[in-house]
Amino acid sequence: AQSVTQPDIHITVSEGASLELRCNYSYGATPYLFWYVQSPGQGLQLLLKYFSGDTLVQGIKGFEAEFKRSQSSFNLRKPSVHWSDAAEYFCAVGAGNRDDKIIFGKGTRLHILP
Amino acid sequence: KAGVTQTPRYLIKTRGQQVTLSCSPISGHRSVSWYQQTPGQGLQFLFEYFSETQRNKGNFPGRFSGRQFSNSRSEMNVSTLELGDSALYLCASSLVPSPNEQFFGPGTRLTVL
Repeated sequence: AQSVTQPDIHITVSEGASLELRCNYSYGATPYLFWYVQSPGQGLQLLLKYFSGDTLVQGIKGFEAEFKRSQSSFNLRKPSVHWSDAAEYFCAVGAGNRDDKIIFGKGTRLHILP
Repeated sequence: KAGVTQTPRYLIKTRGQQVTLSCSPISGHRSVSWYQQTPGQGLQFLFEYFSETQRNKGNFPGRFSGRQFSNSRSEMNVSTLELGDSALYLCASSLVPSPNEQFFGPGTRLTVL
């Protein structure tokens, strides 16, 4: 069965520092991969997605992610975080055969130090 | 273009009651998925509807049910509420069935007393 692991429950970084949020998935087929962000009291917003092609994906708000098949990873990165990036981030995976649900990781809560 | 709307935003119920939550997808979106979000379990998939048909169902008891109407609006129902059903219920819509980019509503916060 497919699964998604986000090893870090909480991460704290200083404003202006770089960020990397980890995501590992377990899936036999070519996965569809997503990163979503959730601010307090709100629904989820898609940051970026990977279906195929270039393994480095650019998203909104200055985020990017790299698909590494050999490591079964899809880590999210940002070169310089802003206080407004404080939120919870979810990695998600879906089957590439368009016949399956999307599975979400448990999330990583990002805290920003001023 | 209006986003996904969910009503009501907040609900307080007591054990044993039933509840119906509503979701209106983005105009033109025909796929609606429902998720339960709790601090301990994270986001768990409930079910997905596309063109009024249930395509997928998560691992939830039969007390959880849903439906989709011809205008793509969806409702989910929980009967015989339990304390553990307290959660944020999120609805997401997309143009085509999963897996695909989903647009989420703000959620309905259900509290069961």
